[in-house]
Amino acid sequence: GAGVSQSPSNKVTEKGKDVELRCDPISGHTALYWYRQSLGQGLEFLIYFQGNSAPDKSGLPSDRFSAERTGGSVSTLTIQRTQQEDSAVYLCASSSQQGAGTEAFFGQGTRLTVV
Amino acid sequence: AQKITQTQPGMFVQEKEAVTLDCTYDTSDPSYGLFWYKQPSSGEMIFLIYQGSYDQQNATEGRYSLNFQKARKSANLVISASQLGDSAMYFCAMRSYNAGNMLTFGGGTRLMVKP
Repeated sequence: GAGVSQSPSNKVTEKGKDVELRCDPISGHTALYWYRQSLGQGLEFLIYFQGNSAPDKSGLPSDRFSAERTGGSVSTLTIQRTQQEDSAVYLCASSSQQGAGTEAFFGQGTRLTVV
Repeated sequence: AQKITQTQPGMFVQEKEAVTLDCTYDTSDPSYGLFWYKQPSSGEMIFLIYQGSYDQQNATEGRYSLNFQKARKSANLVISASQLGDSAMYFCAMRSYNAGNMLTFGGGTRLMVKP
């Protein structure tokens, strides 16, 4: 596709359920980032992939959060046993190469609401 | 570790005037890139401008310019001739090679343009 695609765009789930958020990066982009943004707040880093490997998982808030990337393309962020504090917009971004000078392109985000 | 600080949570500017949004950063890596993104109320993240640590000249993109002061570790965004459509959140971000190309964001500044 032309841009970073995230699905679903909106997700309402009951507390305690598991959810999967999907990110389709721009074709050929090797770097992929996941961020979380609470209402009116900044971007909280969650995890970063270079290819299929995740050099930095330090931002994952708890062991309920996990992410994987397959084929150097699609990534899935999974939240198990969701809690109300998980409610936020989850943003995915990708960039084309390892160089520090390459901007990241963002998807439209998934708005997660845990009720 | 790299860190980005935006000290202005919110700012007002009169339409058609210029405004400067502050950003300071901290890194021990001599090779890094600095980015500014705009996030309007619709939630999308829009890339505005990039400055490389070795660039000799300040970056400019239309009405946006970056006041890069390397010794002071600051990368302020200057918006000239503000327009009502410039009202948004603005985020400063940094990526450095030795930090594994992780893209780190500041807390953001909410800019409100008054007619």
